[in-house]
Amino acid sequence: GQQVMQIPQYQHVQEGEDFTTYCNSSTTLSNIQWYKQRPGGHPVFLIQLVKSGEVKKQKRLTFQFGEAKKNSSLHITATQTTDVGTYFCALPRGNMLTFGGGTRLMVKP
Amino acid sequence: DAGVTQSPTHLIKTRGQQVTLRCSPKSGHDTVSWYQQALGQGPQFIFQYYEEEERQRGNFPDRFSGHQFPNYSSELNVNALLLGDSALYLCASNPGQGSVGYGYTFGSGTRLTVV
Repeated sequence: GQQVMQIPQYQHVQEGEDFTTYCNSSTTLSNIQWYKQRPGGHPVFLIQLVKSGEVKKQKRLTFQFGEAKKNSSLHITATQTTDVGTYFCALPRGNMLTFGGGTRLMVKP
Repeated sequence: DAGVTQSPTHLIKTRGQQVTLRCSPKSGHDTVSWYQQALGQGPQFIFQYYEEEERQRGNFPDRFSGHQFPNYSSELNVNALLLGDSALYLCASNPGQGSVGYGYTFGSGTRLTVV
């Protein structure tokens, strides 16, 4: 089945530093979604990427879809304590989503 | 605009018992999916319901069953509970006739503990 590897598993940053999480697939993806889950919370949809090489921005968050549509990244500029949580990439497969293992971001104030 | 609502929020059950979890999708959404999230892991797809039928199923045993009602709400039933069934159960809904091309709206989940 379609597998996705997400790295790193954990990341500690000082507030104000940048953060990046990567999602890699062994197969070409039709599209990819990103979710954020705060500690004790539930996943919240952030964005969907569809086109090869696509770059989308949401304030301090930048999402990229690789040219070969096999990888994606989420970059946060100048992290804040409100960015704390686990970031998941998710691959649509039929009518289901296959989630990556997530990257847990911790921010030191 | 109400989001996805789930009940109960927490539940403690004994091994071998049966449990029913409930979900009301976001207004305007017709498709409901259920996910199991173990501690420290990503959500795992259980199944999806659309037009009152199970549309797709993940790698879960038959002890896990569900139902969707005409008003699009849904139930997840788990029989013969095992300790390993302890997890956060998430309900997610989306529009577009069930198309996964739209982002999912997740509920806050039901935390099930099996003792």
